[in-house]
Amino acid sequence: EAQVTQNPRYLITVTGKKLTVTCSQNMNHEYMSWYRQDPGLGLRQIYYSMNVEVTDKGDVPEGYKVSRKEKRNFPLILESPSPNQTSLYFCASSLWDSAYEQYFGPGTRLTVT
Amino acid sequence: AQSVSQHNHHVILSEAASLELGCNYSYGGTVNLFWYVQYPGQHLQLLLKYFSGDPLVKGIKGFEAEFIKSKFSFNLRKPSVQWSDTAEYFCAVKLGEKLTFGTGTRLTIIP
Repeated sequence: EAQVTQNPRYLITVTGKKLTVTCSQNMNHEYMSWYRQDPGLGLRQIYYSMNVEVTDKGDVPEGYKVSRKEKRNFPLILESPSPNQTSLYFCASSLWDSAYEQYFGPGTRLTVT
Repeated sequence: AQSVSQHNHHVILSEAASLELGCNYSYGGTVNLFWYVQYPGQHLQLLLKYFSGDPLVKGIKGFEAEFIKSKFSFNLRKPSVQWSDTAEYFCAVKLGEKLTFGTGTRLTIIP
């Protein structure tokens, strides 16, 4: 089954404790991206990747890092999480670029206390 | 910077009513436009998209949207809504390789 998976689905952590949210897709997609969804703000793009080793900032990259060492994986790293990063995070992938249909993962709900 | 505005935050309709959700964007160049839907407890999924050509595009589940360049708008419409259309709807604009979403409109359909 074609899908985007994210782990963990729920995470509660404390300020400053490094964490990684994994994202994996099995559709051989070139383009992958991370979004955060906050009430009243919609989805905001954090980072995107056009291909392996090619990443770029979205609209809200501060406090986040990403890497794309393999085509299928695109982890999101929070080196020192803060409470304002409490949010619902979505990973997405698409065939070539953002013009193509984005396939979204199920979301990761992160709480930073 | 480009922006996408969805002025309707929450819309409540009865079944069989007609729907129009507004979407305006701020970029003056060539844009690709999308509507995504998020049903309760599910992933976001694509409803429809506009790249070029006929400004009236049809999507899944009876939805359509009209691109009006002079108004920088891409409004979503459905002539007769069903209870199963209850969801959150997001307009999105592609500029370069970024995808910018609006704040979303929550649609509640009353049986």
